[in-house]
Amino acid sequence: QVQLQQSGPGLVQPSQSLSLTCAISGDSVSGDTITWNWIRQSPSRGLEWLGKTFYRSKWNYDYALSVKSRINIKADTSKNQFSLQLSSVTPEDTAVYYCVRDRHRELQGGGFDLWGQGTMVTVSS
Amino acid sequence: DIVVTQSPDSLAVSLGERATINCKSSQSVLSSSNNKNYLAWYQQKPGQPPKLLIYWASARDSGVPDRFSGSGSGTDFTLTISSLQAEDVAVYYCQQYRSTPQGTFGQGTKVDIK
Repeated sequence: QVQLQQSGPGLVQPSQSLSLTCAISGDSVSGDTITWNWIRQSPSRGLEWLGKTFYRSKWNYDYALSVKSRINIKADTSKNQFSLQLSSVTPEDTAVYYCVRDRHRELQGGGFDLWGQGTMVTVSS
Repeated sequence: DIVVTQSPDSLAVSLGERATINCKSSQSVLSSSNNKNYLAWYQQKPGQPPKLLIYWASARDSGVPDRFSGSGSGTDFTLTISSLQAEDVAVYYCQQYRSTPQGTFGQGTKVDIK
């Protein structure tokens, strides 16, 4: 059974960096039809896609324009996991953060079909 | 950017009755290359992540009960729960994935029991 297990702190101080990790079991972070995403959810912003990484002969990354200057997503093939780093956080970054698998939209139908359990991250001093 | 708008924001339906949620996209999500609509529906229960119900606007994901159905094309879509069960109380979201690298979600529709 494929699972995503998130880890990382639930409290981050303003201006610091938020770091979360998503461990994958039952699938490969290097899968050639899959992308690995970070999505957050807050009452004010709803469900907001932040970025993704995927392997197609080389590692690729795409980020939402809203966070592009602050975000970094990395894949670690040795641990079969991927991570999120969001720098210079403010209280507006307070949200539940999810790691999410996205299927190939032409071959497999697309859609975010597998989600981590979610991590509530609060930005506060 | 494609904007996705759902209606209504909430609805209450009696057990066993039909529930209908609408989703409108500001641009067509129909792909001319394969005639597929890149529109998904999700169900989110309290304290849980969203769960994929429907992809390609009308294809049920594995294990999804057949009382859930999706329809529509282009810019207008509908999620129908044919006979509402108590376990269907949740917030439902539509999401377009025609535009990449990111798709956009609707604001959500809360479904309750009347």
